[in-house]
Amino acid sequence: ETGVTQSPTHLIKTRGQQVTLRCSSQSGHNTVSWYQQALGQGPQFIFQYYREEENGRGNFPPRFSGLQFPNYSSELNVNALELDDSALYLCASRHLPLGLGTGELFFGEGSRLTVL
Amino acid sequence: QQPVQSPQAVILREGEDAVINCSSSKALYSVHWYRQKHGEAPVFLMILLKGGEQKGHEKISASFNEKKQQSSLYLTASQLSYSGTYFCGTEMGYGGSQGNLIFGKGTKLSVKP
Repeated sequence: ETGVTQSPTHLIKTRGQQVTLRCSSQSGHNTVSWYQQALGQGPQFIFQYYREEENGRGNFPPRFSGLQFPNYSSELNVNALELDDSALYLCASRHLPLGLGTGELFFGEGSRLTVL
Repeated sequence: QQPVQSPQAVILREGEDAVINCSSSKALYSVHWYRQKHGEAPVFLMILLKGGEQKGHEKISASFNEKKQQSSLYLTASQLSYSGTYFCGTEMGYGGSQGNLIFGKGTKLSVKP
């Protein structure tokens, strides 16, 4: 157990709809990252939040957006869903003092999104 | 900026050794290694920082060649439990967007009895 929980675990949406995925970080972790993992592929970096501000974004369009809350939980929102958005979405948290340095990522079990 | 891993897949017999490589075209600050079993989340193995520091985890060790921007993961006397997909993740800097962890496509390791 990593202490990182995600919800929902599975969901099915239709093309054009919107989805919100949620993540509860491990206690004390101030940084959260979201990844998209297609079947048989490596996790693709979507964005990272440190103390409620985005501090890095991968090659994803603006319809992918996120929030980090004061209690360090976070959300990933995807608008105008496309078939290619079907994937496992992983949330990972860690503690970075002053947002600097590096540290182990603790992953949640993921939310599997299917877009029909 | 995505690191390149090789080989893409490897099949071993229990007790055999394996090496998985990870390389980047950019200067790196750190390299992470994670293992993911089917249907599970990635699990942390180790971090290497620039400076050629080598760290170990049981019978799994790794090295980081800062000059070549390459890291290698060494699995010695493999066990059935080592099966899974191994990912390297790289960071180019100490913080901000440079500190985002970018993963390679993975190396699928299968250990047979």
